Amino acid sequence: GENVEQHPSTLSVQEGDSAVIKCTYSDSASNYFPWYKQELGKGPQLIIDIRSNVGEKKDQRIAVTLNKTAKHFSLHITETQPEDSAVYFCAPGGTSYGKLTFGQGTILTVHP
Amino acid sequence: GAVVSQHPSWVICKSGTSVKIECRSLDFQATTMFWYRQFPKQSLMLMATSNEGSKATYEQGVEKDKFLINHASLTLSTLTVTSAHPEDSSFYICSARRTSGSPDTQYFGPGTRLTVL
Repeated sequence: GENVEQHPSTLSVQEGDSAVIKCTYSDSASNYFPWYKQELGKGPQLIIDIRSNVGEKKDQRIAVTLNKTAKHFSLHITETQPEDSAVYFCAPGGTSYGKLTFGQGTILTVHP
Repeated sequence: GAVVSQHPSWVICKSGTSVKIECRSLDFQATTMFWYRQFPKQSLMLMATSNEGSKATYEQGVEKDKFLINHASLTLSTLTVTSAHPEDSSFYICSARRTSGSPDTQYFGPGTRLTVL
């Protein structure tokens, strides 16, 4: 099965700074790489995703980069705001009926 | 678009009773739905994959006779926790995959908090 490692487990930044979270996976057949944001007591919300034929994707302050050779992908958030504070999960997948394997999560805290 | 709802949002029950949780895709059809469980401060763990019109596929270690899944239509899947015990207390979350468009993308429901006394 897929082994997923996500780092760091916690990340504390000042408002306006950038934040980067890295996800390493083991299954070379994975071809779909999403990032989810989960607020307390709520379900995960898809914030950005990328497929294996693309190296980078950007959506306003959020970007995802993929290095398929090294089997890792990263979430980049620029100009962080307090409302970005949440738990972020990577969840590589795309094989085996579309199953996703979630990383351990990163608690991001943005201080005003 | 791509809204998934769950009902109820929370439930408290006595040990030994059964609880049913509904997952609905409101504005799209979903051939496949997934059920996850999340314990406090932990990640999401996939319990089972539910395909419309066929039996669910359970992950290793998940008791299929305890967690009954029914995917009766392209917009509804249900999870029934039978003879619930305190250790079944958790946050249960479903997700749905579109039948068309971006098939890999999973859209998640808001979750159901189950507390078994």
